[in-house]
Amino acid sequence: EAQVTQNPRYLITVTGKKLTVTCSQNMNHEYMSWYRQDPGLGLRQIYYSMNVEVTDKGDVPEGYKVSRKEKRNFPLILESPSPNQTSLYFCASSFWGANQPQHFGDGTRLSIL
Amino acid sequence: GENVEQHPSTLSVQEGDSAVIKCTYSDSASNYFPWYKQELGKRPQLIIDIRSNVGEKKDQRIAVTLNKTAKHFSLHITETQPEDSAVYFCAARGGSQGNLIFGKGTKLSVKP
Repeated sequence: EAQVTQNPRYLITVTGKKLTVTCSQNMNHEYMSWYRQDPGLGLRQIYYSMNVEVTDKGDVPEGYKVSRKEKRNFPLILESPSPNQTSLYFCASSFWGANQPQHFGDGTRLSIL
Repeated sequence: GENVEQHPSTLSVQEGDSAVIKCTYSDSASNYFPWYKQELGKRPQLIIDIRSNVGEKKDQRIAVTLNKTAKHFSLHITETQPEDSAVYFCAARGGSQGNLIFGKGTKLSVKP
């Protein structure tokens, strides 16, 4: 089944404790992206990647890191999480090209205490 | 960069009525405009999209119109049903980067 898989789905942690949210897709998509969703603010892009070893900042990259060592994986890293990073996070992927629909994972709800 | 504005933020309709959600975008180079539906606690799912060389596209009760001159596009849902209740997001993508920029969403409530 074609899908985007995120783990974990839920995480409660404390300020400053490094965490990684994994994202994997099995559709051979070149393009992958991370979003955060907050009430009233919609989906805001954190980072995106157009292909292996190519990443770039989205609208809200501060406090986040990503890597793209393999085509299928695009982990999101919070080196020193803070409470303002408490949010719902979505990973998405698509084929490269302006007209390609984006497929979303099921989301990861992070709570930073 | 691209900026997408979406209105209204909330919309309540009676079952069977039509619902219209409007979006405007700023980048005239944008050429792909998808609409996503997000049910409570679930991921956004693509319901319809339109390319810039098309003015209108329909899929059963859902239609999207695009006016490139005015830089706005709209989602039309006819004969609404309670299961249409969700948050709807418009988005625009274009330019050399191809990033998808989302509107802030519209919470649609369909009352039986």
